[in-house]
Amino acid sequence: EVQLVESGGGLVQPGRSLKLSCAASGFTFSNYYMAWVRQAPKKGLEWVATISTSGSRTYYPDSVKGRFTISRDNAKSSLYLQMNSLKSEDTATYYCARHGVSNSPWNWFAYWGQGTLVTVSS
Amino acid sequence: DIQMTQSPASLSASLGETVTIECRASEDIYNGLAWYQQKPGKSPQLLIYNANSLHTGVPSRFSGSGSGTQYSLKINSLQSEDVASYFCQQYYDYPWTFGGGTKLELK
Repeated sequence: EVQLVESGGGLVQPGRSLKLSCAASGFTFSNYYMAWVRQAPKKGLEWVATISTSGSRTYYPDSVKGRFTISRDNAKSSLYLQMNSLKSEDTATYYCARHGVSNSPWNWFAYWGQGTLVTVSS
Repeated sequence: DIQMTQSPASLSASLGETVTIECRASEDIYNGLAWYQQKPGKSPQLLIYNANSLHTGVPSRFSGSGSGTQYSLKINSLQSEDVASYFCQQYYDYPWTFGGGTKLELK
């Protein structure tokens, strides 16, 4: 059974940093692109970042490019999201997600974690 | 960026009814479309991918159709456990984008 468990969320002041983690199990982690998707309170879903199987390629939307960094440790089956220069509009539940097809990001998000809440406020 | 527009934003239906949710893309996405269900307080779960393929374990009362810029999700014989929000997502082109969601409630 595929399991994704996020951690690291919490309350942080604007301009500060936070690092999220995701522990994966139940599949061969190194075979899949991984992603972060967020959801602001009572709002829709927004894709935040994707990383290739080796970690050599990363993808971001303009809203977080230059502030967020996605990374992975295949030996630990773990995914990370380093968030810098946080803004109030980054307040959201952050979900770790696995892309659906091995070795490609051009596909759906097949499995999701339970999410971790990040609140950016002074 | 490809814009995804869902309709309706909210929907009320009775048990046993058939429900259809629409998703329109701002340009042709060549069936690169997924549907997700999000129950209250839970994370999203994949229902449909490639516009019409059912994800493992999803009940057959869910189906997807469409092509080009117009897609739809149909739920046959609505059950109480189908109360949720539904989101479409395109993965044809980067950045990957979601529709605004449809909240389905029981009448």
